[in-house]
Amino acid sequence: AQRVTQPEKLLSVFKGAPVELKCNYSYSGSPELFWYVQYSRQRLQLLLRHISRESIKGFTADLNKGETSFHLKKPFAQEEDSAMYYCALSGNFGNEKLTFGTGTRLTIIP
Amino acid sequence: ETGVTQSPTHLIKTRGQQVTLRCSSQSGHNTVSWYQQALGQGPQFIFQYYREEENGRGNFPPRFSGLQFPNYSSELNVNALELDDSALYLCASSPRTGRGYEQYFGPGTRLTVT
Repeated sequence: AQRVTQPEKLLSVFKGAPVELKCNYSYSGSPELFWYVQYSRQRLQLLLRHISRESIKGFTADLNKGETSFHLKKPFAQEEDSAMYYCALSGNFGNEKLTFGTGTRLTIIP
Repeated sequence: ETGVTQSPTHLIKTRGQQVTLRCSSQSGHNTVSWYQQALGQGPQFIFQYYREEENGRGNFPPRFSGLQFPNYSSELNVNALELDDSALYLCASSPRTGRGYEQYFGPGTRLTVT
């Protein structure tokens, strides 16, 4: 069975400080990992995916297969980063079914 | 380009009733997935429709059913509503099924069962 764990429900960080949102997964095959973000009063949207190896809005995430982790990082937090963040996994299902974690609410303190 | 739309925005139903939720996929997308998001939880996959056929189902009972129409819009039907069905129902569309295709989410329908 596949599972995504986000251990922190809430995370508060001062503006300008580094941010790390943790995500661990359980899957026997080769998963594809994603971070989705939901800003206040907006819909859920893709932030980044591991295969792209991009930096989006200053965020990066590296897939660590040994530790089965996909932590989201940003060196300097900005107030507009305050949002709900979900880590998600897609396996070899043939339909890109997404398995989500429970989410972390990130609050940036001015 | 029009994004994913869902209707209604909110609705309240009584236990035992039936409900139909609607989703219009983004232009050019032929795949629609439905998710249930209970309070404080992440979205949970219900099922996916690809070219009018069910293409994968999550751990939901048969009273959750769906349809996809030739224009790729979709419906989610829930029979014999239970209190635990109260949740935000999200629809997501993608250009095709399978890995590599981003899912675009709608704003959701908030269902309350009393």
